[in-house]
Amino acid sequence: EIVMTQSPATLSVSPGERATLSCRASQSVSSNLAWYQQKPGQAPRLLIYGASTRATGIPARFSGSGSGTEFTLTISSLQSEDFAVYYCQQYNNWPHTFGPGTKVDIK
Amino acid sequence: QVQLVQSGAEVKKPGASVKVSCKASGYTFTSYGISWVRQAPGQGLEWMGWISAYNGNTNYAQKLQGRVTMTTDTSTSTAYMELRSLRSDDTAVYYCARPTSPYHDAFDIWGQGTMVTVSS
Repeated sequence: EIVMTQSPATLSVSPGERATLSCRASQSVSSNLAWYQQKPGQAPRLLIYGASTRATGIPARFSGSGSGTEFTLTISSLQSEDFAVYYCQQYNNWPHTFGPGTKVDIK
Repeated sequence: QVQLVQSGAEVKKPGASVKVSCKASGYTFTSYGISWVRQAPGQGLEWMGWISAYNGNTNYAQKLQGRVTMTTDTSTSTAYMELRSLRSDDTAVYYCARPTSPYHDAFDIWGQGTMVTVSS
């Protein structure tokens, strides 16, 4: 099973600042990596798939990069609605494991 | 519009079984797989398994093997997830999800979630 790790566990950021979230896979997942945003009481929302392709309707301030085992989600200028938990997920190998999440909160 | 609508909340006793439904609409049901993901209170997301709506092939998380069964009914465009021998640590919100493409498993369509509580 591929183990996904995310860092940091919590990221405190001021509105308007840049946020950089990391995701690491225990073995290569090629570019088969997705990022999700989840707010309390809501289902996850797909942000990025294929490591760098924004999903439909996702603002350009969200960008993804990386391949193999190291991935990054960047939020260029945090808006109030971006404070949430972010998960990465690999879908290269069964089981399609999620990372433990990074909580982005207000500094 | 494309949507997945799940059945309502359930309360079960330890050792019982639960069956959650996920009704799809707005797309050709057999063109996409359906995955199930759960989330225990205050915890992260856990991938449970996948079923092809085309031919019924499945792939389950190893920790759930023997307790979980995923099925589909193509006549009603509905997917089902049954979990048996329930334990307290099965208490979670259960989601069904559909990928953006039939060729990969990044989920852009999610059901609203079904809360399953296991308590004596």
